[in-house]
Amino acid sequence: AQSVTQLDSQVPVFEEAPVELRCNYSSSVSVYLFWYVQYPNQGLQLLLKYLSGSTLVKGINGFEAEFNKSQTSFHLRKPSVHISDTAEYFCAVCNQAGTALIFGKGTTLSVSS
Amino acid sequence: ETGVTQTPRHLVMGMTNKKSLKCEQHLGHNAMYWYKQSAKKPLELMFVYSLEERVENNSVPSRFSPECPNSSHLFLHLHTLQPEDSALYLCASSQDRRSGGYTFGSGTRLTVV
Repeated sequence: AQSVTQLDSQVPVFEEAPVELRCNYSSSVSVYLFWYVQYPNQGLQLLLKYLSGSTLVKGINGFEAEFNKSQTSFHLRKPSVHISDTAEYFCAVCNQAGTALIFGKGTTLSVSS
Repeated sequence: ETGVTQTPRHLVMGMTNKKSLKCEQHLGHNAMYWYKQSAKKPLELMFVYSLEERVENNSVPSRFSPECPNSSHLFLHLHTLQPEDSALYLCASSQDRRSGGYTFGSGTRLTVV
């Protein structure tokens, strides 16, 4: 079985500062990894995904994530955040056999001026 | 508009009522999912349908009954719910169960009184 741990429940940052949202996963088999964003009163939107190949994955809105197999991590980063990045961010995993996505508890990113 | 439409957006129901949540996608996806999102808890996978067949049922109480009449529509029938069932119910779809790139609807905010 897979599991996902998002190490920070809340991350407050100032506008234009860099940010890293941490995600660790647990699985005995190869996995696919995802980051989703949820704005207030909306569903989840895919930010980026790692399926195979390059371990550095670029997504929408200037976000990127790096897959680190040895550390079983998939941290999300952005070099300079905007107020509009304030949202809930979810890390998710599924195995390559095709079970459904398993989500972490989410990290609330709060960007202030 | 993400391509996955959920109705209604908000629903208040008594514990003795019967209601249904509807999800519709015209993305040509073959897999559809129901997730429950409660405050302070990870998204909980409820049901998975692949090619109109239910392939996962994660120990969901029988007061929740899914129905998938065709590959574009998914329903969640509700009856005799409890206050703790109040949550945001999210529908998602994907090309297949292995792709992981889910498209989510905006959700139905359910309040049981």
